[in-house]
Amino acid sequence: IVLTQSPGTLSLSPGERATLYCRASQSVINNFLAWYQHKPGQAPRLLIYGASTRATGTPDRFSGSGSGTDFTLTITRLEPEDFAVYYCQQFGASPSYSFGGGTKVEIK
Amino acid sequence: DVRLVESGGGLVQPGGSLRLSCVASGFSLRGYWMCWVRHTPGKGLEWVANINPESDDLSYLDPVRGRFTISRDNAKNSLYLQMDNLRAEDTAVYYCARDPYTKAFENWGQGATVIVSS
Repeated sequence: IVLTQSPGTLSLSPGERATLYCRASQSVINNFLAWYQHKPGQAPRLLIYGASTRATGTPDRFSGSGSGTDFTLTITRLEPEDFAVYYCQQFGASPSYSFGGGTKVEIK
Repeated sequence: DVRLVESGGGLVQPGGSLRLSCVASGFSLRGYWMCWVRHTPGKGLEWVANINPESDDLSYLDPVRGRFTISRDNAKNSLYLQMDNLRAEDTAVYYCARDPYTKAFENWGQGATVIVSS
């Protein structure tokens, strides 16, 4: 399964709403779709799994939605620490796991 | 506290070999699927390989299949990645990661840098 993320870059100001998209080339099994935040020099951080379940410690301004082939990560009000690259990831039969190409959320 | 610590990265010439290790603490590796994921500025995050708890279900990214071998030693609470016949395009930061049955990577190591260059 190939995951395509859009847009490639999102230029927004703190306090604004961010909407990130992830489209799969085939239906994602059991909605096994996760979202990660990645900052330079740090390990990726799991935000959402199962398409919509927040991981432990994920602030409630982050929410995930979608099913089948189309998924969305929404950040309701951007905080300064939210500017980062975001990846979606799926689990399936072949390959076992795969990531999208990422969306960079940058300060406008 | 769940912790994963990688080691074994470094600079290697094309065609060379490296073995990455990942030691877990704060939990028993025994019951979990474990993976290696790499990051490059150009491609972003890329799943490399995974292994089930019993080590009888292994999967690999196509470009590394036949060159990389994932393994684990549950008694040592450790995960490994043997990388042979390395290529320039294998240059990346390699992370070990744990899947706690959510089909997502909840815990990550700090990363090991592998540079393949002559």
